[in-house]
Amino acid sequence: DTEVTQTPKHLVMGMTNKKSLKCEQHMGHRAMYWYKQKAKKPPELMFVYSYEKLSINESVPSRFSPECPNSSLLNLHLHALQPEDSALYLCASSQRSLVNNEQFFGPGTRLTVL
Amino acid sequence: AQSVTQLDSQVPVFEEAPVELRCNYSSSVSVYLFWYVQYPNQGLQLLLKYLSGSTLVESINGFEAEFNKSQTSFHLRKPSVHISDTAEYFCAVSITSGTYKYIFGTGTRLKVLA
Repeated sequence: DTEVTQTPKHLVMGMTNKKSLKCEQHMGHRAMYWYKQKAKKPPELMFVYSYEKLSINESVPSRFSPECPNSSLLNLHLHALQPEDSALYLCASSQRSLVNNEQFFGPGTRLTVL
Repeated sequence: AQSVTQLDSQVPVFEEAPVELRCNYSSSVSVYLFWYVQYPNQGLQLLLKYLSGSTLVESINGFEAEFNKSQTSFHLRKPSVHISDTAEYFCAVSITSGTYKYIFGTGTRLKVLA
């Protein structure tokens, strides 16, 4: 299995809602990532987990809360988001090294905040 | 500081014509280089990578890229494009030492015309 899956594919939420994005991989990768991608822009790194521990937080607002329950799963909990948080949220994974390995991306969750 | 530059934001080309998408990087340390492709409403897929060895790398669908250390470039080429190659192409650089860095370029939209 060389796939990264993400659910849901689309999500519409209000500014007062609480929702979660889910990401799963079964390639035995030990590094997992969350990216935010606005239209016609490159992905922006949000968080990196290495061996289920948060190793990088790129100064992301606290309304985004990541969680890595085990080596195969990665969640992104959303609360009190703003309309400008509307974007494609991509999950990725790679082998043990954070540096020189290719990243495998999921198809993304298209988030719209009303 | 490290950076990745993709000067061409859009490249229109007729079907069966050759194409070159340019990528230049700036780094004082060794790097690994990647090209990713993103089809509409999808995640990123690795197209090819340079880690070490031969400076010319090829993908299974006819793309190739050449690492040129003196010109700090990693341009992507294809001798004959198809309509299905229409997509966004991102060059990425990972830094091999020190703090984790995985930097994406701003992307080049390849539009293949019939």
